[in-house]
Amino acid sequence: GAVVSQHPSRVICKSGTSVKIECRSLDFQATTMFWYRQFPKQSLMLMATSNEGSKATYEQGVEKDKFLINHASLTLSTLTVTSAHPEDSSFYICSAATQTGFGYTFGSGTRLTVV
Amino acid sequence: SQELEQSPQSLIVQEGKNLTINCTSSKTLYGLYWYKQKYGEGLIFLMMLQKGGEEKSHEKITAKLDEKKQQSSLHITASQPSHAGIYLCGALNTNAGKSTFGDGTTLTVKP
Repeated sequence: GAVVSQHPSRVICKSGTSVKIECRSLDFQATTMFWYRQFPKQSLMLMATSNEGSKATYEQGVEKDKFLINHASLTLSTLTVTSAHPEDSSFYICSAATQTGFGYTFGSGTRLTVV
Repeated sequence: SQELEQSPQSLIVQEGKNLTINCTSSKTLYGLYWYKQKYGEGLIFLMMLQKGGEEKSHEKITAKLDEKKQQSSLHITASQPSHAGIYLCGALNTNAGKSTFGDGTTLTVKP
């Protein structure tokens, strides 16, 4: 149980276009999901906290107009990278608290490459 | 904010050897998690520790949380190539319900 599905796993897009990444909790409801970014050989950096039915809370330095987060249901949060640039290329990963005492369950991540 | 320091940053061991990874917090931990990751892939949950002095084991991996709940260690016994990867400790920030992570320890196990 407690599976988080993230899609797509890899995406290549042209500079200036937008990309949407989905994060779904498959067998539990997640009122809160978290979006992280990871650069090569570095740890996870929290970008924002996604709350179902309300606005996301962004960490300092993260542009909310560039990284749009929507959490319209208890099982789905989306991250849209708008007007993507090559510097947005990174590994993006989501997580949800399972409330089962097993910590946070993570999606398998999305590798975004902007060309 | 919660800050976690992991050491060492990287570790190369011969197969069969034991090893320890440390995670130190600047504040008392509400909960601490250990994850394993291969870069570019998702995180695999290993263990969660919440009580001071708590120790948990799973197969050949043992994690401990000290009594003051500010330091945790992850110990691998008789390492195998399958243990290779990035080990991350994460702390639950109870005030905001979000986790912060250490910088990770990259483990290489030589056959």
